[in-house]
Amino acid sequence: NAGVTQTPKFQVLKTGQSMTLQCAQDMNHEYMSWYRQDPGMGLRLIHYSVGAGITDQGEVPNGYNVSRSTTEDFPLRLLSAAPSQTSVYFCASSPGQGEVNEQFFGPGTRLTVL
Amino acid sequence: DAKTTQPPSMDCAEGRAANLPCNHSTISGNEYVYWYRQIHSQGPQYIIHGLKNNETNEMASLIITEDRKSSTLILPHATLRDTAVYYCIVRVGQGGSEKLVFGKGTKLTVNP
Repeated sequence: NAGVTQTPKFQVLKTGQSMTLQCAQDMNHEYMSWYRQDPGMGLRLIHYSVGAGITDQGEVPNGYNVSRSTTEDFPLRLLSAAPSQTSVYFCASSPGQGEVNEQFFGPGTRLTVL
Repeated sequence: DAKTTQPPSMDCAEGRAANLPCNHSTISGNEYVYWYRQIHSQGPQYIIHGLKNNETNEMASLIITEDRKSSTLILPHATLRDTAVYYCIVRVGQGGSEKLVFGKGTKLTVNP
């Protein structure tokens, strides 16, 4: 299994540009989430999904859109990039069943908005 | 979710035990204690979890006080590769794993 994969690894955008961060998992996990991590800070939840066709907002959803058309993929769209969105973005997935639901994280996408 | 408090940084000598404390005085009866770590700039990695009993796995041990208001993660023989930020998270165990709340964690430095 590849686990959780994210593309691209690095991206530089200009203010106002849009782009999509890709996230895929091959573990048949129901739950998927997007977090952002700013320098020296913990991760903050942007959006999450408990299954295909179901998404909800996290702590910092403004400026981002998500959709979940398949179990495997959970793309994050930046509608109009702003310098405040410069961050490292992590995607995660978890089984959604059972007692603990360990989250598996991808390697991250490092985004710079100029 | 209950709030957690961790020291911002700790040091440990290689080969010695690393004991990382976490305070969660407002934890409720159905909330689990999870530990994750983040090595350098990688994605966080699950370590261990517990409800009220002490737990051990191949990576670490988790000691939870009887009143459940605090816990300690123990790395029995720390290596240089254990240098990382360690996050203590309290969360309802049944579902909700898609919404973990990360604080700033404890930066553990293992010294040779």
